Amino acid sequence: GAGVSQSPRYKVAKRGQDVALRCDPISGHVSLFWYQQALGQGPEFLTYFQNEAQLDKSGLPSDRFFAERPEGSVSTLKIQRTQQEDSAVYLCASSPREYSYEQYFGPGTRLTVT
Amino acid sequence: KQEVTQIPAALSVPEGENLVLNCSFTDSAIYNLQWFRQDPGKGLTSLLLIQSSQREQTSGRLNASLDKSSGRSTLYIAASQPGDSATYLCAVEYGNKLVFGAGTILRVKS
Repeated sequence: GAGVSQSPRYKVAKRGQDVALRCDPISGHVSLFWYQQALGQGPEFLTYFQNEAQLDKSGLPSDRFFAERPEGSVSTLKIQRTQQEDSAVYLCASSPREYSYEQYFGPGTRLTVT
Repeated sequence: KQEVTQIPAALSVPEGENLVLNCSFTDSAIYNLQWFRQDPGKGLTSLLLIQSSQREQTSGRLNASLDKSSGRSTLYIAASQPGDSATYLCAVEYGNKLVFGAGTILRVKS
């Protein structure tokens, strides 16, 4: 069966550009999570969706970061006016449950801001 | 602040050796604790999950223990193999999010 997929796998953006990162969760999964993983660090929580509702966005580092999941399936993480400190791997995870237990992770999108 | 610390940051061992990875967390009000494996360029693979009411979990050559009161967990890998080389991440669940440590980079030499 298909796992969590993310696209693009790699993205190079010039400083100041906007980017959109896509996550396709496992079909039927209720919960979806975004994490940011800087080089040499563990993933850090960004935001959490339960179906289409964004229930926690406490980890978003600034108002340049925006996430949506309009139909409760595919999610998009958008970063406006990218900065060099945004360079990281962005991981998406989904869960069949209504909390973070049993998360399945995608391969991530590596974003490099030049 | 909820923090997770992993020691050592990196470890290099010869094949066949038994080894222990350590994880500590500051907030003991956890739902569960998970150990993940991360290979370069790939996502995370869950190895073991210990619920807050449990003391340990075992899967094959892996054994993870949890001591909530002291805020510690250990991952024991028996008879290590070169294929075990990866980054091992400890993650603590607090409600709707996982808080990760920075990981231990393991290299098993053949």
